[in-house]
Amino acid sequence: AQKITQTQPGMFVQEKEAVTLDCTYDTSDPSYGLFWYKQPSSGEMIFLIYQGSYDQQNATEGRYSLNFQKARKSANLVISASQLGDSAMYFCAMREATFNDYKLSFGAGTTVTVRA
Amino acid sequence: DSGVTQTPKHLITATGQRVTLRCSPRSGDLSVYWYQQSLDQGLQFLIQYYNGEERAKGNILERFSAQQFPDLHSELNLSSLELGDSALYFCASSSSSGAMNTEAFFGQGTRLTVV
Repeated sequence: AQKITQTQPGMFVQEKEAVTLDCTYDTSDPSYGLFWYKQPSSGEMIFLIYQGSYDQQNATEGRYSLNFQKARKSANLVISASQLGDSAMYFCAMREATFNDYKLSFGAGTTVTVRA
Repeated sequence: DSGVTQTPKHLITATGQRVTLRCSPRSGDLSVYWYQQSLDQGLQFLIQYYNGEERAKGNILERFSAQQFPDLHSELNLSSLELGDSALYFCASSSSSGAMNTEAFFGQGTRLTVV
């Protein structure tokens, strides 16, 4: 079963506007972590932001914030004040604590294109 | 720069051949993960090593194997290569024995093309 679902294959956003990337997850583990990574056209994977399942507040890192709705099992990424350099593919990922298995499971990704 | 080094960056080889991809984790990181990224399968977890021992296994084919050496660098061996093995192979490393909030730092990837 798919653990991470990203339903938006691609999105366009105007420069300086905010964009929300959807991510839903599936786990029965009470302890888990959610991550967002950015993959520009150059190919490298860049860590953006982390949200723990027990964190009371939504995570923020600069222009990135995570809208964490635990009951809905969603962890949407919000990029504020989009810049041309934000054009990239964005991946949501989850780590579960089951069986000491700390691998990351990734979603299919969302391509964001920022227009000038 | 994530601090994770992968070599080579690009590799072109023929079907049936064997290749070795190398990964040097960030200084001090004990965990190494290998991922395969292809257009049709997305990012797939292959295998994880922690301090020299296999910790977790994902969708890794029997033709593929990996190891982590005492100096913590890791190698992914791909044999009897098929066209479908063409992909971007990532190595990632993380510091801890598995603290939930420990992010994995990714290398630049090795782009393998099988012709």
